[in-house]
Order: sequence, then structure tokens, then C-alpha cells
Amino acid sequence: SAVISQKPSRDICQRGTSLTIQCQVDSQVTMMFWYRQQPGQSLTLIATANQGSEATYESGFVIDKFPISRPNLTFSTLTVSNMSPEDSSIYLCSVELQRDTEAFFGQGTRLTVV
Amino acid sequence: KQEVTQIPAALSVPEGENLVLNCSFTDSAIYNLQWFRQDPGKGLTSLLLIQSSQREQTSGRLNASLDKSSGRSTLYIAASQPGDSATYLCAVRLNGRTGANNLFFGTGTRLTVIP
Repeated sequence: SAVISQKPSRDICQRGTSLTIQCQVDSQVTMMFWYRQQPGQSLTLIATANQGSEATYESGFVIDKFPISRPNLTFSTLTVSNMSPEDSSIYLCSVELQRDTEAFFGQGTRLTVV
Repeated sequence: KQEVTQIPAALSVPEGENLVLNCSFTDSAIYNLQWFRQDPGKGLTSLLLIQSSQREQTSGRLNASLDKSSGRSTLYIAASQPGDSATYLCAVRLNGRTGANNLFFGTGTRLTVIP
């Protein structure tokens, strides 16, 4: 299994500001993913964080709004930029030790934008 | 597009009862199916992973079954406890979508076990 540490666990932010969320894994992984879970909804994939190349974004998500870094095989960050109340969600980091195997998740970051 | 449905959306049971949570999916060409637990405002904890070639998996009081042909999976919880109260999510992984998003989540069943 994989142990994922995600920080911060929660934050309340002013609109127009940015928040960077960190995800640290206890082993080297090729695949790291960032999800969003809006209130009362299921999970939506934002992007796949690739080590050594740019992240791959899903439809409806853009790099300017959600820049991602992946400096090595154990760490990634997601920034939520120029926040609005609609960005209030739980943001989750996920990894797979091998592609298409069991998915592991961090404890999530609960973001509230006021 | 794969659609994953979980019914019921919410369930309340008295402590000690056995219960079944349901997950259905529209595309039977799946690679595996995973059940998760999510506590309020928190991340997901993996409970069970069933490969497409398997019929069931067991872990402690939990048993998950898979019927690919009918597009259904169930999560059976025996002798429920108040600590089992959480939202349970199923996620289906499709075959043959290398490099693309191939994990589809249901909206979950919120379980409350009443002491």
C-alpha cells in the first residue's frame, strides 16, 4: 500500500487569492492524480501529474487555474488560483503503485472560499 | 461513457445489523472495481479491490461481490458498528484506456449505524 500525506487538511481563503496543496507519498510512484469533490458530489479528476513533463488536464480544467508541479516521484503540488466561492471543495491527491491497480488517496484538503 | 450508480443514497441501520450496499455500472468492460470509505470532509480509504476475473473479495467483516455481466457489485457489512458510519463509494476502472482517465466513481451511500 501507499501512505499519502496531504497538506493543509483544511483552509479558509479569501476570494482572489491562491492556495497550494502539497501531496507527499512514502514510495516512488509514476502516477499521481488530483481530484476535486464538490459538496454532495462524487470525485472528478482534475489532472494527472507526470514526473518530468507537464500535467495532463481533463476537460473543463486548465493549467492557468490549477497549475501542478511534480518535481520528483514522491511529491506533487496543486495550486488553486484566483479562487472564487465556486472553488470550495475537497481536493484529493491519489496514487497508483502500478497503473490500473489499487488507488490510494490522501486525507484531502477541505477548501472554503469566502 | 461509464456511469456508476449507488443506491440507496443514504441508509440508517441499528447496530449489529448486517447490510448490503449496491453499486451498478453501465459498461461491463471493466478492469477492476474498488470500494472506498470516506469520513465527512476527509479523504478516501481503500476497502476492497476486485479484479474483473474475480467474483468476490473479503476483508474482516466486509465482503464485496462482482457480477460483471449484470453490471453490479455489492458490499456486504456484517454485524455493523457505529464506527462503520461513513460514506461508501465504489469506483470502476475501464479496460483499454491507457493514458486516459479510466476510473469512474459513484456518488456514494451515506451509512449511519445507530447505537
